[in-house]
Amino acid sequence: DAKTTQPPSMDCAEGRAANLPCNHSTISGNEYVYWYRQIHSQGPQYIIHGLKNNETNEMASLIITEDRKSSTLILPHATLRDTAVYYCIVLNAGNNRKLIWGLGTSLAVNP
Amino acid sequence: NAGVMQNPRHLVRRRGQEARLRCSPMKGHSHVYWYRQLPEEGLKFMVYLQKENIIDESGMPKERFSAEFPKEGPSILRIQQVVRGDSAAYFCATTKANEVAKNIQYFGAGTRLSVL
Repeated sequence: DAKTTQPPSMDCAEGRAANLPCNHSTISGNEYVYWYRQIHSQGPQYIIHGLKNNETNEMASLIITEDRKSSTLILPHATLRDTAVYYCIVLNAGNNRKLIWGLGTSLAVNP
Repeated sequence: NAGVMQNPRHLVRRRGQEARLRCSPMKGHSHVYWYRQLPEEGLKFMVYLQKENIIDESGMPKERFSAEFPKEGPSILRIQQVVRGDSAAYFCATTKANEVAKNIQYFGAGTRLSVL
C-alpha cells in the first residue's frame, strides 16, 4: 500500500473551512484514499473515501488531484468538536483489509 | 462508536498477569480487526478475524498474544504474562461481510491497558 505524508499539525478558526492535505505520490491505480479521524480518548471514526472523483458526504468533502498524487479533506465549517487527529490512508481494494496508520494531522479548531 | 462495544474501558494488571479484552461487534457485523495504539503513536494493526477464523495475524506478536472470534459471543484479545510494554490502548473495529470491500471500519472506544 502506498505511503502517505501529512503535516503534523494545523490550526483553523471556528466556522471557517479546514483544508487538510495529504500526499500519496506512489499511489497505484486500484488504491483508494480513506480519511479517518480520532478525537482525543476515543476510537477512530470513518469520514470519507474516494478513488479518483471528488466525493462529498454529510461530514466532509474529498478533493483528489487529477494525477491522484495528493488529496485534500475539507471540513466546510469547522466546529470545536472537529478538533482531532485526521488520518489519510491509502488502501487497495484487494484482500488486504488492514488499515496502515501514520501519525496523521492534529487539527486544532480555535474559538 | 456507540455500536461497537469494548470492555473493559480501562484495565489495570500487574506484570505477569493475564489481560482479556472483549469486543462485541455491531449487529450484523462478522469481521473484526484489532489495533494497538501506543502513546503519541498511530494505530498498529494486530489481527483480522471472521467468525471462528483468523484471516490475518501478521501484526500480532508471536508470543503471549492470541485472539479469537467464536461463533457465539464477543471477540477476545488475550495477553498472557503482561509486561509494561503492553501498556497501550487497544481498539477493535468491525465491518459487515458485504461491506468488507468498502474498507469502512467501525471502531469501539477502546480498552486502555495499564501494566504496573
